[in-house]
Amino acid sequence: AQSVTQLDSHVSVSEGTPVLLRCNYSSSYSPSLFWYVQHPNKGLQLLLKYTSAATLVKGINGFEAEFKKSETSFHLTKPSAHMSDAAEYFCVVSVTGRRALTFGSGTRLQVQP
Amino acid sequence: EAQVTQNPRYLITVTGKKLTVTCSQNMNHEYMSWYRQDPGLGLRQIYYSMNVEVTDKGDVPEGYKVSRKEKRNFPLILESPSPNQTSLYFCASRASGNPYEQYFGPGTRLTVT
Repeated sequence: AQSVTQLDSHVSVSEGTPVLLRCNYSSSYSPSLFWYVQHPNKGLQLLLKYTSAATLVKGINGFEAEFKKSETSFHLTKPSAHMSDAAEYFCVVSVTGRRALTFGSGTRLQVQP
Repeated sequence: EAQVTQNPRYLITVTGKKLTVTCSQNMNHEYMSWYRQDPGLGLRQIYYSMNVEVTDKGDVPEGYKVSRKEKRNFPLILESPSPNQTSLYFCASRASGNPYEQYFGPGTRLTVT
């Protein structure tokens, strides 16, 4: 079985400060991991993906995530938050051979001016 | 432009009145699926289809039907909607040779009273 736990339901940061959104996963097999972003009233957009290559993954809009197998974590970071980063972020796990993506419950990022 | 479209985007209906939410993709993807998004639960897969005339249940299929008569279309059918099916629904598609990247539609917000 596979599962994803997003450790914070809400994160609030000031514009220009670092962003850290935490994600832990559980998987019986080697997982692929993703971060998706959902802006208000919009669909889901893929931010970045880890598929067993480099453990530090760079995505769009300055986001990156590091796969740490020993900690079963895949935290999302950005050095400097922008107002346009305010959205809901989903950590997602996929296991080869299993057709569905398993979504975390989401983290709502608020960026204060 | 590569995209997944859904119609309608918003729907308010009453208990028991059959409805269909359409989904169409223009990328010639073999794999399509439906998810529902509920607060605090992330996205959960309802049904998926590996190709034309091939469909299977996801994690929460009760109360839903699907069909895949054409490769580009994957409608979601609620034969007798109930209030607990009030949710935000997403259709997604991907190429069978690329399990790592799904394209999501813009979502359909359904309210059943």
